[in-house]
Amino acid sequence: GNSVTQMEGPVTLSEEAFLTINCTYTATGYPSLFWYVQYPGEGLQLLLKATKADDKGSNKGFEATYRKETTSFHLEKGSVQVSDSAVYFCALSDRSGAQKLVFGQGTRLTINP
Amino acid sequence: NAGVTQTPKFRVLKTGQSMTLLCAQDMNHEYMYWYRQDPGMGLRLIHYSVGEGTTAKGEVPDGYNVSRLKKQNFLLGLESAAPSQTSVYFCASSYEAAVTNYGYTFGSGTRLTVV
Repeated sequence: GNSVTQMEGPVTLSEEAFLTINCTYTATGYPSLFWYVQYPGEGLQLLLKATKADDKGSNKGFEATYRKETTSFHLEKGSVQVSDSAVYFCALSDRSGAQKLVFGQGTRLTINP
Repeated sequence: NAGVTQTPKFRVLKTGQSMTLLCAQDMNHEYMYWYRQDPGMGLRLIHYSVGEGTTAKGEVPDGYNVSRLKKQNFLLGLESAAPSQTSVYFCASSYEAAVTNYGYTFGSGTRLTVV
């Protein structure tokens, strides 16, 4: 079946540090890939997406590239801010049937000033 | 523009009690989903619906029932609550064939504690 594996957290960084959160997936066919962000006490919000191999999704300074050869979709940001503190989820959609999203376990990120 | 609205936001139940969580969306989405979120487990799909009058089981359906009598509403029921159902529940919705390109719209969650 389809699955998503994220790097284990929590991750703690200082402001302006470089961020990488690893995400790898297992899927049949050609899934779409997503990163969602969950701020404290809120629901999940779509951060960025990529729908085919070599696509790069970007938003709010975050980027992720769909790497079919390594089945990865790592999230990066060059200079994090305190306001980026949140839980980040990697997810895939398998394009079949009800197009259910499969989520990774989430990575809690804390940025210290 | 309300999006996806979940009620209640918080609830404490005693073991064996029943309750219904309501999800309402005003975007005319065909697809609706219920997930539960537990520490270290990510989000796991409980039940989903691809249209009015249809429901289907997800990854962790045991102990839950759902109904979608109206397109805009998706109800999640717990007939006899157990402590293992203590979790945060999220509802989500999407246009048919839009998930691939746009993902879901999520509600803000219901935090349920079963004592």
